[in-house]
Amino acid sequence: SQKIEQNSEALNIQEGKTATLTCNYTNYSPAYLQWYRQDPGRGPVFLLLIRENEKEKRKERLKVTFDTTLKQSLFHITASQPADSATYLCALEETGGGNKLTFGTGTQLKVEL
Amino acid sequence: NAGVMQNPRHLVRRRGQEARLRCSPMKGHSHVYWYRQLPEEGLKFMVYLQKENIIDESGMPKERFSAEFPKEGPSILRIQQVVRGDSAAYFCASSDIISPAGDTQYFGPGTRLTVL
Repeated sequence: SQKIEQNSEALNIQEGKTATLTCNYTNYSPAYLQWYRQDPGRGPVFLLLIRENEKEKRKERLKVTFDTTLKQSLFHITASQPADSATYLCALEETGGGNKLTFGTGTQLKVEL
Repeated sequence: NAGVMQNPRHLVRRRGQEARLRCSPMKGHSHVYWYRQLPEEGLKFMVYLQKENIIDESGMPKERFSAEFPKEGPSILRIQQVVRGDSAAYFCASSDIISPAGDTQYFGPGTRLTVL
C-alpha cells in the first residue's frame, strides 16, 4: 500500500541548533515533493519544492534533500528560532498525478530557548 | 496581492443541514483544490477544479458532497445532510499554471465545520 510517513513524535530542540525532519514514502513515484508549515488553526504555508531530478534545494535557513533511491526527503532548519515552532508537512505529487498532493501527517517542531 | 480567501472561517451546522463553503483563489489563479483535515489526521485531497470543470474528484465521498467553480464567483464545496463525521477543517488551495515540472499550491486559512 502507499504510505507517506513523517515522525509522529514531536521534535524538541534548542534555539540555534539545526532541526532535521524526515519524510519517507512507499509505493509512490513522485514527480516532486513539497514542504509546508502549518500553525494551529491556520492553513499550510508553502516553503520549498524539490523535483525528482534535484538532490538539494535551499532557501535562506531552509534546506531540503530528496533521495529517490532511499525514497526519502530531509528538511533542515539551521540556526533554529522559537518562531520556527510549528507543524511541518511533506506532500508529494505523483508523476502523472494531475497536481493532486498527498500529504504526510506532519511533524511538530518545538524550538526552546 | 490577496491570498486565497475562504469563508466562513467557522461554520456550525446541525445534523441533516447543508453546509456551503466558499473559496476565492489568488488573483490570476484558475485552478482550485479542496482538501479535508480530520482531527489528528493529515490533509486529504478531495477535488480539483478549473473554471467550470471538475478535473479530478477521486477524493470526494460518493454521496452528499459536491463542488463547483463557476465562470464568475468563488468555488463552492457543498455538503448536504451533514453528519457528525463531516466535522473537520476544509482547506482550499489554488495554483496558476500546470506544468510538467510541477506547481505550487497556495492554501487558504480553512473553514472549520462543526456538526452538532
